[in-house]
Amino acid sequence: SQKIEQNSEALNIQEGKTATLTCNYTNYSPAYLQWYRQDPGRGPVFLLLIRENEKEKRKERLKVTFDTTLKQSLFHITASQPADSATYLCALSNDYKLSFGAGTTVTVRA
Amino acid sequence: NAGVMQNPRHLVRRRGQEARLRCSPMKGHSHVYWYRQLPEEGLKFMVYLQKENIIDESGMPKERFSAEFPKEGPSILRIQQVVRGDSAAYFCASSPRQGESDTQYFGPGTRLTVL
Repeated sequence: SQKIEQNSEALNIQEGKTATLTCNYTNYSPAYLQWYRQDPGRGPVFLLLIRENEKEKRKERLKVTFDTTLKQSLFHITASQPADSATYLCALSNDYKLSFGAGTTVTVRA
Repeated sequence: NAGVMQNPRHLVRRRGQEARLRCSPMKGHSHVYWYRQLPEEGLKFMVYLQKENIIDESGMPKERFSAEFPKEGPSILRIQQVVRGDSAAYFCASSPRQGESDTQYFGPGTRLTVL
């Protein structure tokens, strides 16, 4: 069965540094990979989508890479700020059905 | 510009009771998706509906769970005879159309606790 794994440990970083999150998957060939942000007690908020034929996507301080050979996506938050503290979810899909990882919690210290 | 609305935000039920969760999609969105999030687990797809139609219910338990999206009014996720294992956060999402890359906009969720 398909498996989606994100960083098992929570990530604690200093303000201004780059946070790098990983999303690995097995038994799956997604056409799309998305990243969401989830704050405590809230629903996921869409951040970025990358297609299987794209290597990299950027949006402001966010960067996503997608390596279909390694079956891995990396999510970078550059120049991190305390407001970036949240749980980040990766989600894979071939259609409307999103399959989520369990998430990685990021805490940015001032 | 109201987003996806869900109510109630918190729901407490005793074993054997019924739970009704409501979702109003974003204005102009006719596609609704329900997901369930158990503690320490990722969100799991349950069901996909369009107005008056269930398109895909492959993620929904065969018994006790049902969903609808009537022509008028919100989408409803109904859980009959709840058990402790139903305790979870239930999220609704909507999109303007079904496209493989269409962004799904999520509501704040309903946290169901079964005593």
